[in-house]
Amino acid sequence: AQKVTQAQTEISVVEKEDVTLDCVYETRDTTYYLFWYKQPPSGELVFLIRRNSFDEQNEISGRYSWNFQKSTSSFNFTITASQVVDSAVYFCALRGESSGTYKYIFGTGTRLKVLA
Amino acid sequence: GAGVSQSPRYKVAKRGQDVALRCDPISGHVSLFWYQQALGQGPEFLTYFQNEAQLDKSGLPSDRFFAERPEGSVSTLKIQRTQQEDSAVYLCASSLTGGRYQPQHFGDGTRLSIL
Repeated sequence: AQKVTQAQTEISVVEKEDVTLDCVYETRDTTYYLFWYKQPPSGELVFLIRRNSFDEQNEISGRYSWNFQKSTSSFNFTITASQVVDSAVYFCALRGESSGTYKYIFGTGTRLKVLA
Repeated sequence: GAGVSQSPRYKVAKRGQDVALRCDPISGHVSLFWYQQALGQGPEFLTYFQNEAQLDKSGLPSDRFFAERPEGSVSTLKIQRTQQEDSAVYLCASSLTGGRYQPQHFGDGTRLSIL
């Protein structure tokens, strides 16, 4: 079975603070793919980043960074110097080799509120 | 437009009515997915098309749900004899190919409310 857990339901920070969103996944597949999406109030899910199970290199893109650790089955997302526009629900998603038709398994999301 | 387009944006129906939700994927995208997102939850898979072929409908909750993509482009999700538990946001996504590393691109969704 495949599962994604986002234990943080809601996080509130003050603008300019750093914030880390946690994602823990479960899969028996040796090949799998992880994704992060942002869902602003408009409702559209916006693709942020993807990683495959063979690429543990962490990445920084502007104020965003991702920490992928297979040893702990985690794929965490950090926003540095948060801004009000970062307020949204963030979803972590998993696709495994056994998922057949490439569907995503989503976590329940973390609602991030950045206060001015 | 360049993105995935869904219509209507909002739909209100009385219990027992049939509804049809439309998805216009990004031009040239082979794969198309439908997801259901309940309030406060992550999206859950409903069905998947590769071109006009429906390859997976394992997520459709009942036989009242039906999806089609007859020409391999626009897709319609139909719900017959709607019930209150069908109230949710229905998201459509498309990807260029069926590859597992391909990101899916989502539309804004249709918010369905059943009274």
